[in-house]
Amino acid sequence: DGGITQSPKYLFRKEGQNVTLSCEQNLNHDAMYWYRQDPGQGLRLIYYSQIVNDFQKGDIAEGYSVSREKKESFPLTVTSAQKNPTAFYLCASSLSSGGYNEQFFGPGTRLTVL
Amino acid sequence: AQSVSQHNHHVILSEAASLELGCNYSYGGTVNLFWYVQYPGQHLQLLLKYFSGDPLVKGIKGFEAEFIKSKFSFNLRKPSVQWSDTAEYFCAVNERIYNQGGKLIFGQGTELSVKP
Repeated sequence: DGGITQSPKYLFRKEGQNVTLSCEQNLNHDAMYWYRQDPGQGLRLIYYSQIVNDFQKGDIAEGYSVSREKKESFPLTVTSAQKNPTAFYLCASSLSSGGYNEQFFGPGTRLTVL
Repeated sequence: AQSVSQHNHHVILSEAASLELGCNYSYGGTVNLFWYVQYPGQHLQLLLKYFSGDPLVKGIKGFEAEFIKSKFSFNLRKPSVQWSDTAEYFCAVNERIYNQGGKLIFGQGTELSVKP
């Protein structure tokens, strides 16, 4: 069953702690993306990766970091430097990084900072 | 700055009413256009897309959208909504710039509530 999995579904962390959100895809897609979704603001791009071992900052990368060591995995670390980390985080992938390819989304992780 | 604007934040309709959700973008170049939908408790999924050709595109579940280049618009329509169309709808755009990849810029989203 092909798709994108994100874990955990809900995540709580204390202020000042780093936390890593998992994203795995078995679609054999080259490109992967992380978005943040806040009510009334749509989705905003945090980081994206066009190929293994390469990634670029999106529009709101400050306070986040990523790695792309394997094609199927693109974990996102929310660091203590992120001033307002409570949000819904969505991971996506596409066949390639060209704009003609549909992006497929995971179920999301809801992060709450206490 | 490049942006995508959805005019309606929350739309409430009765079943069988017609739907039109507005989407405008600010890019000056050639664009690819998308509408995504997020049903309650489900993944974000693609409704329809426009790359080139006929500016009236048809998607899943009876939805269609019209690209009007002169107005920088890509409005979503459905002649008769159903209760199952209750969801949040997102317009998204990417600009065809070399080496920019598939970066999508999303609108703020429109929440549609359909009353049975």
